[in-house]
Amino acid sequence: GAGVSQTPSNKVTEKGKYVELRCDPISGHTALYWYRQSLGQGPEFLIYFQGTGAADDSGLPNDRFFAVRPEGSVSTLKIQRTERGDSAVYLCASSSGANTGELFFGEGSRLTVL
Amino acid sequence: AQRVTQPEKLLSVFKGAPVELKCNYSYSGSPELFWYVQYSRQRLQLLLRHISRESIKGFTADLNKGETSFHLKKPFAQEEDSAMYYCALGRYSNTGKLIFGQGTTLQVKP
Repeated sequence: GAGVSQTPSNKVTEKGKYVELRCDPISGHTALYWYRQSLGQGPEFLIYFQGTGAADDSGLPNDRFFAVRPEGSVSTLKIQRTERGDSAVYLCASSSGANTGELFFGEGSRLTVL
Repeated sequence: AQRVTQPEKLLSVFKGAPVELKCNYSYSGSPELFWYVQYSRQRLQLLLRHISRESIKGFTADLNKGETSFHLKKPFAQEEDSAMYYCALGRYSNTGKLIFGQGTTLQVKP
């Protein structure tokens, strides 16, 4: 596709359930980022991949959150034992390198935890 | 602590009026500053970055290190400028790891 693709666009789940959010970056982009945006706030950094490895996961709020990018392309953000406070829009972005300064964002996955 | 502050949640102006969206930052190193924009029903996208020193859609922003500000300006607002604007701070070593402000909604009235 032409842009960053995220699925699902909407996810409603119950407290305590497990959730996976998928990101398909722009072809050829080596850097991939996950951000979380709560209502009324700007996006907050979660994790950054350069290739297959997580180069910086300092933004993950706790060990319930985990992300992978096994082949250096598609990434999955995994949230275990979801809590109501996890409700937010999860944004994925990619860029051609860590220092380009321009991130290309997906439309986001809106997660609602009941 | 690294922080970006956008003091206005909403800025409402009439078409043709000048616009200034304020952004202040706190960072001890050499900052990289960006403005991102999200139009209605569209994804977040880069508007401009301070290092480029360019004008995009009539908008400019000058980094003022003395005042730690990076205000976004346009001399004559257009209705199509109505959107949510985010100021963001990055580090030279990884400009994709951004700290965003809370955003300012710009409403341009006809």
